Amino acid sequence: GIQVEQSPPDLILQEGANSTLRCNFSDSVNNLQWFHQNPWGQLINLFYIPSGTKQNGRLSATTVATERYSLLYISSSQTTDSGVYFCAEVNTGANSKLTFGKGITLSVRP
Amino acid sequence: DAGVTQSPTHLIKTRGQQVTLRCSPKSGHDTVSWYQQALGQGPQFIFQYYEEEERQRGNFPDRFSGHQYPNYSSELNVNALLLGDSALYLCASSLVPGATYIQYFGAGTRLSVL
Repeated sequence: GIQVEQSPPDLILQEGANSTLRCNFSDSVNNLQWFHQNPWGQLINLFYIPSGTKQNGRLSATTVATERYSLLYISSSQTTDSGVYFCAEVNTGANSKLTFGKGITLSVRP
Repeated sequence: DAGVTQSPTHLIKTRGQQVTLRCSPKSGHDTVSWYQQALGQGPQFIFQYYEEEERQRGNFPDRFSGHQYPNYSSELNVNALLLGDSALYLCASSLVPGATYIQYFGAGTRLSVL
């Protein structure tokens, strides 16, 4: 079946540092979303990015669909960036079922 | 503009009991999907409702069932609860069931089965 792999599984940063989170997927995608899960469990939408590059403040994302990967960049990290980051994709023919990776746990230390 | 709302936020049940979780989609959305997230894992798709019918289902037993009302709100029912059903249950809504539509999630219901 479809597999979504995220790396690294855990990341510890000092406040102000930059980071890159990676998502590899095994099939062609119609939809790819990045989420940040806060400590209370809510999944916050960061990007809808099936292809190309988008930026929102200190965050940006790039998806290269032909090579089946997506990257989330966090610049000048802040302690509030801590949490779990998920990528999720909907492959061709899967209607709108999102398949999630296992997540990347980010800890930003002051 | 109200986002996706779920109730209750927390629930404690014992093995064998039945539970009902509720979800109201984001304003203007008519499609609701349910996901189960075990501790330390990514969410897993349970099923999706559109036009009051189950349209797609993940790999979950028949103990998991659902319903969608004419106002697009939805319920997830789990019968004969097992310890392994303890998880965060997330509801997501989208404009239509299409693959290219962004899904928005609620804050979830945390279910503990003792």
